[in-house]
Amino acid sequence: EAGVAQSPRYKIIEKRQSVAFWCNPISGHATLYWYQQILGQGPKLLIQFQNNGVVDDSQLPKDRFSAERLKGVDSTLKIQPAKLEDSAVYLCASSASGGLYEQYFGPGTRLTVT
Amino acid sequence: LAKTTQPISMDSYEGQEVNITCSHNNIATNDYITWYQQFPSQGPRFIIQGYKTKVTNEVASLFIPADRKSSTLSLPRVSLSDTAVYYCLVVVSGGYQKVTFGIGTKLQVIP
Repeated sequence: EAGVAQSPRYKIIEKRQSVAFWCNPISGHATLYWYQQILGQGPKLLIQFQNNGVVDDSQLPKDRFSAERLKGVDSTLKIQPAKLEDSAVYLCASSASGGLYEQYFGPGTRLTVT
Repeated sequence: LAKTTQPISMDSYEGQEVNITCSHNNIATNDYITWYQQFPSQGPRFIIQGYKTKVTNEVASLFIPADRKSSTLSLPRVSLSDTAVYYCLVVVSGGYQKVTFGIGTKLQVIP
């Protein structure tokens, strides 16, 4: 079974530029998560989708971050404009459904904002 | 959502059993305890989940006392490859409530 795919793996941008990350979840998984993990901290949930609807985006900085999950499969997370404090690893995860179901994480995208 | 507290770091020698305790005093009736493991430069990986008493799989055991206010993840005979960060999470059964990762416990296995 293929795992969660993410691209790119690494990205370096200057502040005020825009960037987009892509995630392809495990086939058939209804729930998709985007996390931000700053060095030395645990993953912080940015947004959670159930199929193509948003379940939770309470910690998404909506003035600069946006995410979509068209057709309930792939998802993209965008940052525009980026700030220095956005430097982090962005993790995508998927699960069969929410709640107790095991989350499967992708390898992440390491973003460096200079 | 119940807050969890766990040690920030632990050291252990190879071959020893490691027990990581997590406190979750405000756990609710519908909450489960879940543990994830994260190696450097990788996403977290599910280890084990339980509601009460003891759960065991090929990787670890999870002990949960009757009051469920704490839980202990037990790793038998650790090796260098068990060096990782271990996260204790409280997860609500049913619905789509988010899970919250804390800082986790950084386990360093020493040769």
